[in-house]
Amino acid sequence: AQTVTQSQPEMSVQEAETVTLSCTYDTSESDYYLFWYKQPPSRQMILVIRQEAYKQQNATENRFSVNFQKAAKSFSLKISDSQLGDAAMYFCAFSNTGNQFYFGTGTSLTVIP
Amino acid sequence: GAGVSQSPRYKVAKRGQDVALRCDPISGHVSLFWYQQALGQGPEFLTYFQNEAQLDKSGLPSDRFFAERPEGSVSTLKIQRTQQEDSAVYLCASSLGLYQPQHFGDGTRLSIL
Repeated sequence: AQTVTQSQPEMSVQEAETVTLSCTYDTSESDYYLFWYKQPPSRQMILVIRQEAYKQQNATENRFSVNFQKAAKSFSLKISDSQLGDAAMYFCAFSNTGNQFYFGTGTSLTVIP
Repeated sequence: GAGVSQSPRYKVAKRGQDVALRCDPISGHVSLFWYQQALGQGPEFLTYFQNEAQLDKSGLPSDRFFAERPEGSVSTLKIQRTQQEDSAVYLCASSLGLYQPQHFGDGTRLSIL
């Protein structure tokens, strides 16, 4: 079975600072995809970033980047220059089949002005 | 709009009633997913369609849950004889195909009294 663990239920960051959200996963597969999704209070899940396991290079999307450590089964999200609009629940997700996605329990991020 | 549309946004039903939740995916999206998100938790996979074919329904919690996508576009999630534990947000997502980014709707918040 695949599991995704987010050990930080809540995090806070000062505006313009950097924050890192942690995620670990458990799988016996060698080929899979990892995702970070953002869910603001409006409830709509928005894809933040995606990483293919076969790629060694860490994915980046503007202020968002990941630290993918395949051997350690770790997939953390770094948000640089945090903005008020970054406040949301962040979910880490895993998929190896492409049709089943496994989500963590989420990290609630507060951005302090 | 061009996004995934779900209706109703809120649904209140008495225990034992049947409910039907609708998802209108993005036009042209082959893949369609249903998730159940309990309060304070991450989404949990329910079922997956590729066009009109339901390829995976392993996440449906009981035979009271039924999903269909008869013409490969709009999908309906039906819950029969609702119980209190069915109270959750039901999210629908669509994508161009496997491993492609999923686009989520705003969800339907179901409350069973």
